[in-house]
Amino acid sequence: AQKITQTQPGMFVQEKEAVTLDCTYDTSDQSYGLFWYKQPSSGEMIFLIYQGSYDEQNATEGRYSLNFQKARKSANLVISASQLGDSAMYFCAMREGEKYGGATNKLIFGTGTLLAVQP
Amino acid sequence: DTGVSQDPRHKITKRGQNVTFRCDPISEHNRLYWYRQTLGQGPEFLTYFQNEAQLEKSRLLSDRFSAERPKGSFSTLEIQRTEQGDSAMYLCASRHSTGNDEQFFGPGTRLTVL
Repeated sequence: AQKITQTQPGMFVQEKEAVTLDCTYDTSDQSYGLFWYKQPSSGEMIFLIYQGSYDEQNATEGRYSLNFQKARKSANLVISASQLGDSAMYFCAMREGEKYGGATNKLIFGTGTLLAVQP
Repeated sequence: DTGVSQDPRHKITKRGQNVTFRCDPISEHNRLYWYRQTLGQGPEFLTYFQNEAQLEKSRLLSDRFSAERPKGSFSTLEIQRTEQGDSAMYLCASRHSTGNDEQFFGPGTRLTVL
């Protein structure tokens, strides 16, 4: 069964510093997708970044980058130059099944990491 | 605003009452998902629609829960005879089959059962 593990319940970071949020995954699929979502206190899940299992380069989106280490089954999120508005819960997630294989493609989520950015 | 919308945003009900939530996905998205999120946990999958067909239901979806997507557009999630354990955030997400993998989430409906 697929599983996402986030071992950091909470993290502190100083404003303008970089921070890494850990995520490891378990799957027997050859093709899979990994996601990071941000959930502020308002509750909405905001998509941040995506990494496909066959993508050779690490994904980047502005201040977000995904450190993808396939052999270690890790997909850590790196936030550079932290801002006060980055304070939120962060969830790592995996797509279930092949993208175009007719599977449901539901997302399997980890338990999240609460990030607090300090001024 | 062309994002996913959900209504209501908050619902407080007494145990034993029925509640219904609505989700309006992004208009061209044919795939629609319902998730439930309890305090301190990540969202958990409840059910999935492709167009109007409900193709998968989680074991979390007891027989008190029913979901519909009658015309392949908006979806409703009904909980009958609510229990305190149903208190959670109910999230709806949508995507297109041939688009990127990203699921677009709505703001959620927070249910409190007293």
